[in-house]
Amino acid sequence: ETGVTQTPRHLVMGMTNKKSLKCEQHLGHNAMYWYKQSAKKPLELMFVYNFKEQTENNSVPSRFSPECPNSSHLFLHLHTLQPEDSALYLCASSQIWDRVSSGANVLTFGAGSRLTVL
Amino acid sequence: TQLLEQSPQFLSIQEGENLTVYCNSSSVFSSLQWYRQEPGEGPVLLVTVVTGGEVKKLKRLTFQFGDARKDSSLHITAAQPGDTGLYLCAGATSGTYKYIFGTGTRLKVLA
Repeated sequence: ETGVTQTPRHLVMGMTNKKSLKCEQHLGHNAMYWYKQSAKKPLELMFVYNFKEQTENNSVPSRFSPECPNSSHLFLHLHTLQPEDSALYLCASSQIWDRVSSGANVLTFGAGSRLTVL
Repeated sequence: TQLLEQSPQFLSIQEGENLTVYCNSSSVFSSLQWYRQEPGEGPVLLVTVVTGGEVKKLKRLTFQFGDARKDSSLHITAAQPGDTGLYLCAGATSGTYKYIFGTGTRLKVLA
């Protein structure tokens, strides 16, 4: 497989369930991201991992728990979610997350995991 | 709070027509990217612009970065059904790689 792969593609869960989303990249990138895409709202950055270290947490509720065991894998653990958390969760990777350099950083996105919370 | 406003929000046109999508902000960006997202897929990068006034062409798509690096436009010539999708702009301010995404323009090109 090439690119960024996300599983599952679709997930329906109750508010008391615990589930996880998985992301794997085969691009040799060092930075991985979780984004949330809701209807009528811009794409929201949730977490950034650079060389397995979390560098960004955009005030995301603790019911979302990320895990990055290595530069190729990223998980989003979900528990006691709310119906308003229903959205498309997109994983992305890039060569590096670098605060010092200027210029472009190209994101490669996965196809997303469509989450519905009942 | 930085905000990237895209206009129009929705656009439905006939095949062969031309169109322009706008991305505006009050913030200055060191670089700005355009993505296209098709149904059931993640966004795919189309172009990156980094210099004020820069113009880039990708076949029938022309991208322009504003002189002040606060806005950008995407012009499509002779649109085709394959151009259908959600167009997103994303900007990064100087000193950070944190890209802020725009509100999106949903384009439908009818055959």
